[in-house]
Amino acid sequence: SAVISQKPSRDICQRGTSLTIQCQVDSQVTMMFWYRQQPGQSLTLIATANQGSEATYESGFVIDKFPISRPNLTFSTLTVSNMSPEDSSIYLCSVAPHNEQFFGPGTRLTVL
Amino acid sequence: GENVEQHPSTLSVQEGDSAVIKCTYSDSASNYFPWYKQELGKGPQLIIDIRSNVGEKKDQRIAVTLNKTAKHFSLHITETQPEDSAVYFCAASPYSGGYQKVTFGTGTKLQVIP
Repeated sequence: SAVISQKPSRDICQRGTSLTIQCQVDSQVTMMFWYRQQPGQSLTLIATANQGSEATYESGFVIDKFPISRPNLTFSTLTVSNMSPEDSSIYLCSVAPHNEQFFGPGTRLTVL
Repeated sequence: GENVEQHPSTLSVQEGDSAVIKCTYSDSASNYFPWYKQELGKGPQLIIDIRSNVGEKKDQRIAVTLNKTAKHFSLHITETQPEDSAVYFCAASPYSGGYQKVTFGTGTKLQVIP
């Protein structure tokens, strides 16, 4: 398994601002994944981040809105840019060592 | 891409009874089927998974079955306890682009009534 921590655990932000979410894993992993979970909904993959390369974004998500960094094999950040109330969600970091996928505790974001 | 449907969306059972959650998937290339439990305010926790080379897997009170021909799989929880109350997500995953690309179902909110 993998132990994943995220910071912040929650935040309340004003529209038009940006928030950077950090994800730390207790072991080196090739890929890290970022998901969004809107209130009462399922999980949707935002992007996949490999260390040393550009993140791969899923349909409906773009780099300008959700820039991702992956500076090393245990850390990644996701920025939610120019936020609007529609961005209010839980953002989850995930890793999949040995093809089993594990999730962090999530960052609960509320945009006013 | 993969599409996963999950039923029911809500499920209430008496403590001690069994609970069954069913999912169907569309992509015949999917070969990995995990189930997650999400408690309020927490991230999803992997509780059991099954790969396409087996039809059933059991771990204490939890079992999962897979029918590849019909493209459906189910989660069975026996002797339910109040701490089983949570939202459960199924998922299906083909191995693509060097990793298992996971698509989630819509979730089932399970309530176990003491």
